[in-house]
Amino acid sequence: GENVEQHPSTLSVQEGDSAVIKCTYSDSASNYFPWYKQELGKRPQLIIDIRSNVGEKKDQRIAVTLNKTAKHFSLHITETQPEDSAVYFCAASEYSGAGSYQLTFGKGTKLSVIP
Amino acid sequence: GAGVSQSPSNKVTEKGKDVELRCDPISGHTALYWYRQSLGQGLEFLIYFQGNSAPDKSGLPSDRFSAERTGGSVSTLTIQRTQQEDSAVYLCASSLEGTGHYGYTFGSGTRLTVV
Repeated sequence: GENVEQHPSTLSVQEGDSAVIKCTYSDSASNYFPWYKQELGKRPQLIIDIRSNVGEKKDQRIAVTLNKTAKHFSLHITETQPEDSAVYFCAASEYSGAGSYQLTFGKGTKLSVIP
Repeated sequence: GAGVSQSPSNKVTEKGKDVELRCDPISGHTALYWYRQSLGQGLEFLIYFQGNSAPDKSGLPSDRFSAERTGGSVSTLTIQRTQQEDSAVYLCASSLEGTGHYGYTFGSGTRLTVV
């Protein structure tokens, strides 16, 4: 099955700086890679995703890059703000047969933005 | 409904009692997932339902855990003879399955405390 490694586990940045979180995956057949943000005490929410037919996707201050050859993908947050402080989870989609897909999640990165 | 609904939001139970957690997915979402999240930890996969297919129960930690999904909609996760290590937030998610994968929408979770 799929295995997703996520680094770093914790990350502290000064407000206004950039933050980068990296993930690697093991199954070359995986073709969908979402990122979730979980604020303290709240549910994980999808913030951006990328499919394997593109190498980069941007949405305002966040961007995701995908390197299929190396089997890694990254989340980039620019001009960080205190409200970006949360736990971020990456995931990779694995086809489990009969039209069924499952996400395998990384263990999460706790991002702290220091004002 | 507009989102994934879970009930109860909080549940305190005595060790050895049985509990039932409910999840009402987004209407039309054929895939439903249960995850467990211990304090400060990642997302532990429990079980996955997809349409009328047999559920993937590979993540259930013991035979005290079971789940069912009636009519392809509402799901109930049952924990029998609860133990203190079962204390966690239980998250349900649903997804629209099709020719590819779509992101999950998570519910707000049920915080289970076993005393």
